[in-house]
Amino acid sequence: DGGITQSPKYLFRKEGQNVTLSCEQNLNHDAMYWYRQDPGQGLRLIYYSQIVNDFQKGDIAEGYSVSREKKESFPLTVTSAQKNPTAFYLCASSTKGGHNQPQHFGDGTRLSIL
Amino acid sequence: GQQVMQIPQYQHVQEGEDFTTYCNSSTTLSNIQWYKQRPGGHPVFLIQLVKSGEVKKQKRLTFQFGEAKKNSSLHITATQTTDVGTYFCAANNNDMRFGAGTRLTVKP
Repeated sequence: DGGITQSPKYLFRKEGQNVTLSCEQNLNHDAMYWYRQDPGQGLRLIYYSQIVNDFQKGDIAEGYSVSREKKESFPLTVTSAQKNPTAFYLCASSTKGGHNQPQHFGDGTRLSIL
Repeated sequence: GQQVMQIPQYQHVQEGEDFTTYCNSSTTLSNIQWYKQRPGGHPVFLIQLVKSGEVKKQKRLTFQFGEAKKNSSLHITATQTTDVGTYFCAANNNDMRFGAGTRLTVKP
């Protein structure tokens, strides 16, 4: 079954700790995205990647880092510099970059501060 | 930069009533997409509108793109309990911006 897998579903972070959220897709999509969703708000773009070994900052990249070493994988690291990391994180992919393609979303990771 | 306003923020209807959510952009758009997110779930793509004045239908859902390509609406006729969720527009003009969403609840 093709799709996007995010793990873990729930994650707890201690103060000063970096944590990494996993996102894997087997849809053979070129483009991948990370969004943050806060209650009552829309999705805000953190980072996106249109091709392997390349990625760009979105609107709220500060305190986050990504890598795109493989087409299938786009992990997101929430660093200790992100002072308000509690949110729902969604990974998405599309067949190619640009904004004319539908995006397919994973089930999300809910991150909380201990 | 591009701003996207989506209204209303919440809508509570009786089953069988109609529902409409509106999306307005500060800039002319190349296209607009609509997504639905069920409670506890992830956004699911519904449709994309590209042409000025375009109208598309999916069963009880009607999507419109304004003539100026700055606004769009989603209308649901005779809501059902399965329609509950948050409906987001995603406005595209070089960058893609999601609206804050309209959360729909339906009373049986």
